[in-house]
Amino acid sequence: EIVLTQSPDFQSVTPKEKVTITCRASQSIGSSLHWYQQKPDQSPRLLIKYASQSISGVPSRFSGSGSGTDFTLTIDSLEAEDAATYYCHQSSSLPYTFGQGTKLDIK
Amino acid sequence: QVQLQESGPGLVKPSETLSLTCTVPGASITSYSWSWIRQSPGKGLEWIGHLSNSGSTNYNPSVKSRVIISVDTSKNQFSLQLSSVTAADTAVYYCAGSNAAARPFDHWGQGTLVTVSS
Repeated sequence: EIVLTQSPDFQSVTPKEKVTITCRASQSIGSSLHWYQQKPDQSPRLLIKYASQSISGVPSRFSGSGSGTDFTLTIDSLEAEDAATYYCHQSSSLPYTFGQGTKLDIK
Repeated sequence: QVQLQESGPGLVKPSETLSLTCTVPGASITSYSWSWIRQSPGKGLEWIGHLSNSGSTNYNPSVKSRVIISVDTSKNQFSLQLSSVTAADTAVYYCAGSNAAARPFDHWGQGTLVTVSS
């Protein structure tokens, strides 16, 4: 099973700040890494697919990069509505797995 | 946007079988790969298994001996059965869809909380 480790687990940030969340895979997964946003009492929402591909309807301040084992989700100019938990997910091999999540708190 | 709706009992007794259904109105159920994903209270996400567009199933080894995912094309539904449940199976269960197996989950249901308790 591929283990995804996110960092940090929690971050308190101010609006307009730039945020970087990392996801490290226990073995190479190519670009089969996707990012989701989950707000309280909501289901996850796909933000970025295949490491860096944008999703229609997702604000352009969200971007992704990386390949192999190291991946990054970047939020440029954070907004209050971005308060949520962010998860990475790999679809390279079964069983599909998720990172433990990174909770963003807006100050 | 594909809409998904989970349904099923919110309370299941230990050792019994958890059964959930996901209805997909307005979309061809044979055109997507369908997964079940769960989230224990205050915890992260765990993929349970999927039914691919080709009709094959794959399950997480953590539940493989206890799980069946099946489809009813006449009702545009797919289902989850998880047997011999314990308190550790208490979670919010999501159904999710992707364009094919090994793809990101583009579409999610709203989730349904299932509590295992006597």
